[in-house]
Amino acid sequence: DIIMTQTPLSLSVTPGQPASIFCKSSQSLLHSDGKTYLYWYLQKPGQSPQLLIHELSSRFSGVPDRFSGSGSGTDFTLEISRVEAEDVGIYYCMQGLHLPLTFGGGTKVEIK
Amino acid sequence: QVQLQASGPGLVKPSETLSLTCDVSTDSITTGYYWGWIRQSPGKGLEWIGSIYHSGSTYYNPSFKSRVSLSVDKSKSQFSLTLSSVTAADTAIYYCSRLDSGVYGGVYIDYWGRGAQVTVSS
Repeated sequence: DIIMTQTPLSLSVTPGQPASIFCKSSQSLLHSDGKTYLYWYLQKPGQSPQLLIHELSSRFSGVPDRFSGSGSGTDFTLEISRVEAEDVGIYYCMQGLHLPLTFGGGTKVEIK
Repeated sequence: QVQLQASGPGLVKPSETLSLTCDVSTDSITTGYYWGWIRQSPGKGLEWIGSIYHSGSTYYNPSFKSRVSLSVDKSKSQFSLTLSSVTAADTAIYYCSRLDSGVYGGVYIDYWGRGAQVTVSS
């Protein structure tokens, strides 16, 4: 199985400030088709996870442009350019290259 | 936007079988998507359990070995999960979901249903 490791475990951010979350995979997520099958989800308090970013850097429908994904191979970053109060929750990365699908342990984002 | 709702007993006894059903609304279960189950527990985080296509084709997480089975009922627009020989370690929130895939590869969950809490206890 591909192991996904996220850092930091938690993050406290002042509204309006940027935030970065990191994810590392135990093997490259680059497919021969040129795409990188890395995904980001946000689980808001009391809710189910929701898709933010698919295939490394594409924002899902309705996701604000303050969210961006980047990286390559085994190292990935989710950036929030200006954190808002509604961004609190736990962020997860997931790999979709090989079954079984596997998730990172999560990064909890709080507002200062 | 697809709506997914999981339902089933909230309490299951050890060694018995956990059964959950997911209703798919505002979308056809026979569209070109897979449907699947993920669970979330404090000890193991998010775990993908398995996925099924409307044709009945299935993919399972080997971690669940032979305990898991997925099925689909197109007439009711439902798909189901059974997990046998449960223990306390199977206590979790179970989510049903829709999965999309790329043309050449890559599988991901694009919509998650509201989770169903299942507790394994005598």
